Amino acid sequence: AQKVTQAQTEISVVEKEDVTLDCVYETRDTTYYLFWYKQPPSGELVFLIRRNSFDEQNEISGRYSWNFQKSTSSFNFTITASQVVDSAVYFCALSNGGSSNTGKLIFGQGTTLQVKP
Amino acid sequence: NAGVMQNPRHLVRRRGQEARLRCSPMKGHSHVYWYRQLPEEGLKFMVYLQKENIIDESGMPKERFSAEFPKEGPSILRIQQVVRGDSAAYFCASSGGPPGPYNEQFFGPGTRLTVL
Repeated sequence: AQKVTQAQTEISVVEKEDVTLDCVYETRDTTYYLFWYKQPPSGELVFLIRRNSFDEQNEISGRYSWNFQKSTSSFNFTITASQVVDSAVYFCALSNGGSSNTGKLIFGQGTTLQVKP
Repeated sequence: NAGVMQNPRHLVRRRGQEARLRCSPMKGHSHVYWYRQLPEEGLKFMVYLQKENIIDESGMPKERFSAEFPKEGPSILRIQQVVRGDSAAYFCASSGGPPGPYNEQFFGPGTRLTVL
């Protein structure tokens, strides 16, 4: 079965603090893709990153960084020096890459991040 | 390049009415996915369509819901005889090719359905 768990329902930090959003996934496929999306208060979904299961290299993009660890089935997301504009709901998602894959995304429940000034 | 477009952005229906949600994929995209986001929940996959074909409808409720993606025109998600539990945000995503490492899903802004 495929499953994505975001155990943190809500996180509140003060501006400039670092914050890590946890994501744990379950899949039987050896090829899969992991994603993070941001949903600001306006409601749209903003793509942040995709990671292939064969590529465990961590990635940094500005204040954002992602730590992919297959050994613990985790794909955590860290925001450094958080800003008020980072306040949003963040979703982690999984898509299987096998031959029967239809590309559908399995989403976690989301983590609501509130950054206070 | 216009992104994925969905209309209407907000839709209000009374119980028993029909709701039609439209999704125009990005230019050149022929693969469409529909997801539903119930209040306070994550998104749940509903259906995956290619032009004129339903490929995966494993997430569709068995009754009242249907989807199509005709050769010409937008993809339509149709909900018949709506009930209050259908109130949700419905997101459409499009992709330029079959599932794979180089075919991203780009999401539209969503349609927020409210059933009174």
